[in-house]
Amino acid sequence: DAGVIQSPRHEVTEMGQEVTLRCKPISGHDYLFWYRQTMMRGLELLIYFNNNVPIDDSGMPEDRFSAKMPNASFSTLKIQPSEPRDSAVYFCASSGQIYNEQFFGPGTRLTVL
Amino acid sequence: SQQGEEDPQALSIQEGENATMNCSYKTSINNLQWYRQNSGRGLVHLILIRSNEREKHSGRLRVTLDTSKKSSSLLITASRAADTASYFCATDASGGSYIPTFGRGTSLIVHP
Repeated sequence: DAGVIQSPRHEVTEMGQEVTLRCKPISGHDYLFWYRQTMMRGLELLIYFNNNVPIDDSGMPEDRFSAKMPNASFSTLKIQPSEPRDSAVYFCASSGQIYNEQFFGPGTRLTVL
Repeated sequence: SQQGEEDPQALSIQEGENATMNCSYKTSINNLQWYRQNSGRGLVHLILIRSNEREKHSGRLRVTLDTSKKSSSLLITASRAADTASYFCATDASGGSYIPTFGRGTSLIVHP
């Protein structure tokens, strides 16, 4: 398996633009997690899915953020409109069981100018 | 929310020396995990230790868990320059959702 795949790896956009981050989890994994990592706040859990259903989105910072998982092999995290404070590295991770190890993707480095 | 806190924040050692990092947490846990993150990469899982376990080994890694003190340590023996990375502990609160919460990490630099 290729592991968790994220795209794009780098995204530079201007304030106000829509940003869509994509993730393909490891096949067979029932759990998918979206994290944001910054120097100031560390690694924050934004939302997680179980069998494509959003379970806990309490970490989503505000309504500008939304996440979907239309099928078991694809998820998106969308920011609309983007703001400079959204600049961070966004990670997607998947796991077979909720209490098992998580497998992280390489991350998307987002810069909002 | 449940969160492990790593100590020290930064550690600088010479190749061949041992590196010890600690993690403290606030409430009872089900599991504690250690992850490594190389610069510019995603986190990589190292070891998971359950609340009823006291010690686990994996290669040059040794993890201990003291639930009475609510703390864990990660020992890397005979460190190598390639061990340079940030190390995170992740804990999940017992009776909760099993979702691990990550600490801020220890930045380890191993000088060749």
